[in-house]
Amino acid sequence: GAGVSQSPRYKVAKRGQDVALRCDPISGHVSLFWYQQALGQGPEFLTYFQNEAQLDKSGLPSDRFFAERPEGSVSTLKIQRTQQEDSAVYLCASSRQRGSPLHFGNGTRLTVT
Amino acid sequence: GESVGLHLPTLSVQEGDNSIINCAYSNSASDYFIWYKQESGKGPQFIIDIRSNMDKRQGQRVTVLLNKTVKHLSLQIAATQPGDSAVYFCAENAGGTSYGKLTFGQGTILTVHP
Repeated sequence: GAGVSQSPRYKVAKRGQDVALRCDPISGHVSLFWYQQALGQGPEFLTYFQNEAQLDKSGLPSDRFFAERPEGSVSTLKIQRTQQEDSAVYLCASSRQRGSPLHFGNGTRLTVT
Repeated sequence: GESVGLHLPTLSVQEGDNSIINCAYSNSASDYFIWYKQESGKGPQFIIDIRSNMDKRQGQRVTVLLNKTVKHLSLQIAATQPGDSAVYFCAENAGGTSYGKLTFGQGTILTVHP
């Protein structure tokens, strides 16, 4: 009955490294979202999945960002060739169905040095 | 671009007082509004939501008011407790094809003194 689970909780990467962030949504939740939260700011939308289909990726800041959800449950957000400006908390959220509230995980704090 | 914003960045209250957190939005197409509470090191926690066909919704100790005429949203917390101390975000969604694409305000820091 756990909530949205994200791993790792913290990730430090050297500039130029690739990183992969994992999200386990609440069981049975069809919709999955990724958000980016900079320090002192509200979360900003990155991308949205309905089952395995990525329906909206308009918020991804560059082509270095890639998200997938191949079997319609676990999702991975990958960032290639990380830059310092990628440092933020990456939040995953899920919802049972369209129109239901989004439930967020505790995020992965990414620091790029 | 259109955005959601907050009038007050910080709010300090005494335990037991009622708290009111305000939010202004500018996207007239928004039809769904949500309040989230975020504690340090945690993700946003859903508090209450309201759709644009309503002007008031009550939960446990919380009430959300929506004034579409002036594009204003407020969260009222009754008998505020120290555990209510957190950052509060309002968020809006235009619905339709943008379902789940929430636009968050910057947040209000609520501090409750015992």
